Amino acid sequence: RKEVEQDPGPFNVPEGATVAFNCTYSNSASQSFFWYRQDCRKEPKLLMSVYSSGNEDGRFTAQLNRASQYISLLIRDSKLSDSATYLCVVNEREYGNKLVFGAGTILRVKS
Amino acid sequence: EAGVTQFPSHSVIEKGQTVTLRCDPISGHDNLYWYRRVMGKEIKFLLHFVKESKQDESGMPNNRFLAERTGGTYSTLKVQPAELEDSGVYFCASSNTPGQGGYTQYFGPGTRLTVL
Repeated sequence: RKEVEQDPGPFNVPEGATVAFNCTYSNSASQSFFWYRQDCRKEPKLLMSVYSSGNEDGRFTAQLNRASQYISLLIRDSKLSDSATYLCVVNEREYGNKLVFGAGTILRVKS
Repeated sequence: EAGVTQFPSHSVIEKGQTVTLRCDPISGHDNLYWYRRVMGKEIKFLLHFVKESKQDESGMPNNRFLAERTGGTYSTLKVQPAELEDSGVYFCASSNTPGQGGYTQYFGPGTRLTVL
C-alpha cells in the first residue's frame, strides 16, 4: 500500500466547473499536510497547507479528517490556468522533516 | 528574494560515469533536502541536512550516492558510478527553522539526469 494515495485522474473539466480531489495517507503519526501544484516539467510549488479546521484561499478549499486519514482539495470556478498536477503531500515529522508525496492528480481545464 | 537554484538543469551521462548535482538553498535556510522523481513514480525523499549535518538520510538508495553540505550553505549530490535506474529528476528544497515560517519547503527547478 502506498503511503499517500490520490485519485488517479486525469480530471478533464470545463472552465467554471467545480472539481474535488481526494487523498488518503497511511501514517497516523503524520503531523502536517499540504497540497502542492506542479506544472509540466517544473518544480512542485506549495498551493496551501491543510488544517483540521479546514481552510480556504480564494477559489481553493482544503479539508483534513485525521480520524479517517483523509485530505481533500476543492477548486471552484476552474480556470484554464488551474491545469496542472496536484500533489497531496504529508510531512512525517517523526522522521525529522520528510515530505511524502502522492503520485499526483492531473487536472485539465478546457474552454 | 532568490529561490532555490540547482545546477545543471540537465545532465546526460553514460552508465558508469560520475555526476555531481549542486543546490543553492534560499539564503538563511538551515534545512536543505534532496528528493528525486524517477519515471512513472512519485517524488521520493532522499535526505535532509540541518546546516552541515545530515539529519535524515533514510531515503538514500545506496552507497553510490553521496551528499555533502560543507559550511552549511550549498549542497552537492554525487552519483558514482551512475546506473540506468538513476535517471530521473532530482529536486532540492529548503526550509526555514520552525517558528520562522514553519516547515514549508520551497523547491528548486530540479536537475533532469539521464543515464545512457
